[in-house]
Amino acid sequence: DADVTQTPRNRITKTGKRIMLECSQTKGHDRMYWYRQDPGLGLRLIYYSFDVKDINKGEISDGYSVSRQAQAKFSLSLESAIPNQTALYFCATSEGGSKDNEQFFGPGTRLTVL
Amino acid sequence: AQKITQTQPGMFVQEKEAVTLDCTYDTSDPSYGLFWYKQPSSGEMIFLIYQGSYDQQNATEGRYSLNFQKARKSANLVISASQLGDSAMYFCAMREVNYGGSQGNLIFGKGTKLSVKP
Repeated sequence: DADVTQTPRNRITKTGKRIMLECSQTKGHDRMYWYRQDPGLGLRLIYYSFDVKDINKGEISDGYSVSRQAQAKFSLSLESAIPNQTALYFCATSEGGSKDNEQFFGPGTRLTVL
Repeated sequence: AQKITQTQPGMFVQEKEAVTLDCTYDTSDPSYGLFWYKQPSSGEMIFLIYQGSYDQQNATEGRYSLNFQKARKSANLVISASQLGDSAMYFCAMREVNYGGSQGNLIFGKGTKLSVKP
């Protein structure tokens, strides 16, 4: 079974709809991240969380919110989706501390906003 | 200013040959880490190799090696004996100890698309 899972894997929605992307991990990591990937722009950080009570904005947080329901779960919400939020979204985890040498990525969620 | 620069949008290499993917970075933090990820057409991000700023030797992982030139702020990925399955996007990333007041966040380059020709 995958260590980092994302649901849904694909989603098509309409402008103005509320969307939630979910991420779960079985790695026992404290740190979790949400990125979006756009063609030609690489990955950009939306939000990150270093533990259940810690939520931080990343580079491009406008239009998004997150919830860290438990150590293993980190959800990304688009309160009112707009077309330029069409992108591939990745969740990632890392161990933190001296072993924070790798981020483990989920398979991605492809979101299309019409 | 870009912190991670990958100047090659696309690269071609003949199967079984070696290829170097360029990456330069910009940081004033003395402690940082450099990463390479592979993204095949299926979309997942696959970790390849890591280099710490204080590591004395260049990192190697199988056919992957990282040519770390600290003074030039470059961290090029070398893939030896290319295989057809190496065709993918490759991303260079950096983690500064302190970035925006936090630790551990990765900053990604825009990627290089590698195509391996049979």
